Amino acid sequence: GQNIDQPTEMTATEGAIVQINCTYQTSGFNGLFWYQQHAGEAPTFLSYNVLDGLEEKGRFSSFLSRSKGYSYLLLKELQMKDSASYLCAVKNSNYQLIWGAGTKLIIKP
Amino acid sequence: GAVVSQHPSWVICKSGTSVKIECRSLDFQATTMFWYRQFPKQSLMLMATSNEGSKATYEQGVEKDKFLINHASLTLSTLTVTSAHPEDSSFYICSASGDRGDASPLHFGNGTRLTVT
Repeated sequence: GQNIDQPTEMTATEGAIVQINCTYQTSGFNGLFWYQQHAGEAPTFLSYNVLDGLEEKGRFSSFLSRSKGYSYLLLKELQMKDSASYLCAVKNSNYQLIWGAGTKLIIKP
Repeated sequence: GAVVSQHPSWVICKSGTSVKIECRSLDFQATTMFWYRQFPKQSLMLMATSNEGSKATYEQGVEKDKFLINHASLTLSTLTVTSAHPEDSSFYICSASGDRGDASPLHFGNGTRLTVT
């Protein structure tokens, strides 16, 4: 089967750094996406990785290792507004988007 | 950037009535549109995939006669929840893609919160 695993919940402190991991097992691979979703809102796109390595975009970075079926989202200089769920999703060989259950990130002052 | 508009943002209806939700891609042609449902504190659940001009593909467990999907043009898809019941109350979100082979991200509408009384 196909599945994506990520921690259910994480807690971090304002101003700190947090890394959210995602491991995947899918039938083929055509890219990995990270989305942010605030409660009661639709997801918004954060990052996309298709090649191994680190993609940096401001305070957020995303890393991919295709051989390990592994990615992480790194959030720096955490702000209270970063409290949200972070969804990992992978496009398989049929270009279907397989979603993880999401990681709820709680930021404490 | 690409924009997807979803309407209405919230709706309350009585049990047994039908509700139509519209999803429009405003600045690109959406070859494929996806309809998701999300219950509180749960992840997105794909309900169906619709391609312009053809029948929608429903995920296992989703009743196609209850959740009618129409994708009549490259910019509009509609989801009609027929004979709604309280258990259909949920957050419905559409998303659109320009090309099934495109590696670009999905663009999401703002969602529709449906409450069936």
